[in-house]
Amino acid sequence: DSGVTQTPKHLITATGQRVTLRCSPRSGDLSVYWYQQSLDQGLQFLIQYYNGEERAKGNILERFSAQQFPDLHSELNLSSLELGDSALYFCASSVDGSGTNTQYFGPGTRLTVL
Amino acid sequence: GQNIDQPTEMTATEGAIVQINCTYQTSGFNGLFWYQQHAGEAPTFLSYNVLDGLEEKGRFSSFLSRSKGYSYLLLKELQMKDSASYLCAVEASGYALNFGKGTSLLVTP
Repeated sequence: DSGVTQTPKHLITATGQRVTLRCSPRSGDLSVYWYQQSLDQGLQFLIQYYNGEERAKGNILERFSAQQFPDLHSELNLSSLELGDSALYFCASSVDGSGTNTQYFGPGTRLTVL
Repeated sequence: GQNIDQPTEMTATEGAIVQINCTYQTSGFNGLFWYQQHAGEAPTFLSYNVLDGLEEKGRFSSFLSRSKGYSYLLLKELQMKDSASYLCAVEASGYALNFGKGTSLLVTP
């Protein structure tokens, strides 16, 4: 158990819908990262927050957005869902925003878009 | 751009030693991580290399050569539970990890 929690564990929805994925970092960690993992692409970095502020963006679609709240939990919002958005979404946290600090991953949310 | 290559699949026998290679071409380099991931589960941290050389941690060791853009993960005394995907990731930007597609290792009796 990494100490990072994610809810829900599974999510099934239809194309065109909007969903929110939630992540709570390890106690004491200030930085949260979101990754998408699909079968053919591997783990892809989406976005990073540090202490409530967006720090870096990766391959995140405009239909996707995220935020980190004052209590440091984070939410990833996915809208106008398409079949290709079906994937495992992982949240990771680290002590600070430096990339050389170890990132600890949550159990993931499996999103299925029908 | 960022390019990280690993073999797609490997098979090894219980009790043996296996080496999983990773080569990378990135626009910067701040460190290299290895993660283990069982199917459908979270990646778990195995090792971190920032300087050239070998880092040993129990049955697992990781080697880095920055000049060659090369790393390997060495697993000794293989156990059935070591069957998993092994992910090589390079930190090149100052914040996020760039992952390879992973090497799926099957340990057979």
